Amino acid sequence: SYELTQPLSVSVALGQTARITCGGNNIGTKNVHWYQQKPGQDPVLVIYEDNKRPSGIPERFSGSNSGNTATLTISRAQAGDEADYYCQVWDNFAVVFGGGTKLTVL
Amino acid sequence: QITLKESGPTLVKPTQTLTLTCIFSGFSLNTSGVGVGWIRQPPGKALEWLALIYGDDDKRYSPSLKSRLTITKDTSKNQVVFTMTNMNPVDTGTYYCAYYGGYSGPFDYWGQGTLVTVSS
Repeated sequence: SYELTQPLSVSVALGQTARITCGGNNIGTKNVHWYQQKPGQDPVLVIYEDNKRPSGIPERFSGSNSGNTATLTISRAQAGDEADYYCQVWDNFAVVFGGGTKLTVL
Repeated sequence: QITLKESGPTLVKPTQTLTLTCIFSGFSLNTSGVGVGWIRQPPGKALEWLALIYGDDDKRYSPSLKSRLTITKDTSKNQVVFTMTNMNPVDTGTYYCAYYGGYSGPFDYWGQGTLVTVSS
């Protein structure tokens, strides 16, 4: 079955740029979606189809996808961006989530 | 405005069957391509997809759990029912239903989730 690999944790200084990766075999051929889950809250879609932002998501959130790695980039990181982030794809009519990355803003 | 809300027992005993209901509004689940999915999250752990039902009644299940899962819909009531048999303490977690808009897209809208504990 298809697997998505994310780093367990990423740290970023306040105001700097955070990059969270999502690795998968030829993931560049798939649409990648990203969810943010703050402590005690439900997941929220922040990026869909590799690089599209839903309404209400700040422009600071962007995405890219190529080869075997998709990346969620958060520019000018804020304390409020601290959360778990999950990537997700479809593979062979099944949904696959990555293991999640905890973002810490220092 | 699309909303979804899960309901069901908060506590089930080992070996019992879990039945959860998702009541939704803001869309119709009789359109081919759109769907409602179920995702769970054990405490402190990652999201795990379980099942999805499409508007045309096609169903998809997690390969690792397929033998234990059933998903159905009642379009007239705007409801999706999810069952998982032979519950085990490792199945403890928050269970979410979510709206899927099709085309290998994301789960655009999520319910608030319901915490299910499996314990004797």
